[in-house]
Amino acid sequence: DTAVSQTPKYLVTQMGNDKSIKCEQNLGHDTMYWYKQDSKKFLKIMFSYNNKELIINETVPNRFSPKSPDKAHLNLHINSLELGDSAVYFCATRGGARAGGFTDTQYFGPGTRLTVL
Amino acid sequence: AQTVTQSQPEMSVQEAETVTLSCTYDTSENNYYLFWYKQPPSRQMILVIRQEAYKQQNATENRFSVNFQKAAKSFSLKISDSQLGDTAMYFCAFIVNAGGTSYGKLTFGQGTILTVHP
Repeated sequence: DTAVSQTPKYLVTQMGNDKSIKCEQNLGHDTMYWYKQDSKKFLKIMFSYNNKELIINETVPNRFSPKSPDKAHLNLHINSLELGDSAVYFCATRGGARAGGFTDTQYFGPGTRLTVL
Repeated sequence: AQTVTQSQPEMSVQEAETVTLSCTYDTSENNYYLFWYKQPPSRQMILVIRQEAYKQQNATENRFSVNFQKAAKSFSLKISDSQLGDTAMYFCAFIVNAGGTSYGKLTFGQGTILTVHP
């Protein structure tokens, strides 16, 4: 039973297209994140939501828009894709006292490898 | 701003031996958490070990242990009895604990590629 899942796992698309990546968690956690891992494997936060409210927006271009329809989902929509958007995108969740686990620890999904041609 | 530095881009070790991965960080905060994550070729990010900064005792998880030196802002990972399955990229990460919660972001180091040889 996957705790944090992402779809799709791989996404290949042309420059200029619009695409979405979906994240779902069944851990009951309140806080969800998007991280980007670039070609040099460096991981950097993009967004964070807590109870469907945006709390971190880390100087990401406006072409990236996260949406949290409910606490279990955090989707990432990317408009007008550029070559530099090629990366692995990770969704993560942070444990809460009610849900169990450490409240300070983030648990990651399997990642989505986005390739823009 | 917080920074995390892993000065060893690559390390290698023979199976069954011990290896230590280095990590230093910079922060003006006093209350924070430190983590080591493992990323095998499958690219899944797997939590290896966590350390609470207010605890002096070093965290251990089976073959994995840390040497946490708060004054020196150092947080190294020791892997004992290395196994082939330990081959992965290892990331040191840091998060501030703000007011009892840590909504905040994880700040990662650059990663260390560890190869375990048979």
